[in-house]
Amino acid sequence: EAQVTQNPRYLITVTGKKLTVTCSQNMNHEYMSWYRQDPGLGLRQIYYSMNVEVTDKGDVPEGYKVSRKEKRNFPLILESPSPNQTSLYFCASTFLAGGPHEQYFGPGTRLTVT
Amino acid sequence: GQSLEQPSEVTAVEGAIVQINCTYQTSGFYGLSWYQQHDGGAPTFLSYNALDGLEETGRFSSFLSRSDSYGYLLLQELQMKDSASYFCAPRSNDYKLSFGAGTTVTVRA
Repeated sequence: EAQVTQNPRYLITVTGKKLTVTCSQNMNHEYMSWYRQDPGLGLRQIYYSMNVEVTDKGDVPEGYKVSRKEKRNFPLILESPSPNQTSLYFCASTFLAGGPHEQYFGPGTRLTVT
Repeated sequence: GQSLEQPSEVTAVEGAIVQINCTYQTSGFYGLSWYQQHDGGAPTFLSYNALDGLEETGRFSSFLSRSDSYGYLLLQELQMKDSASYFCAPRSNDYKLSFGAGTTVTVRA
């Protein structure tokens, strides 16, 4: 089954404790992206990647890191999480040739930082 | 700068027609996407307009006017399962997709 998977789905952590949210897709997509969703603000792009070893900042990259060492994986790293990073996070992917307008989203990761 | 406006809420009865308007200001505008998100779920792609005019996909249609920086999503023959949030998302020529705050559609029996 073609899908984007994220782990964990739910995470409660404390300020300053490094964490990684994994994202994996099995559709051979070149383009992958991370978004955060907060009430009243819609989805905001954190980072995106157009291929292996190619990453770029989205609209809200502060406090986050990403890496793209393999085509299928695009982990999101929070080196020192803070309470303002409490949010619902979505990973998405698509083919580059078609453009990013049709993205396939993972199920989401709900992160709480206390 | 970039800006995006769409109504926050719309309520309608089953069988009705709902139009969700979207106005945008996007540098390097390339096209306009629409996504649906049910409560607790992931966004799913509905439609995309790269050119002016109407695109029809079953009960849903999407329209774009590039000269007016305006688009809309038309939901026809509303069903209870259409209760969800709908996002317009302009695509720019630097491969980025920007999402609005979303419109919550509530369908009543």
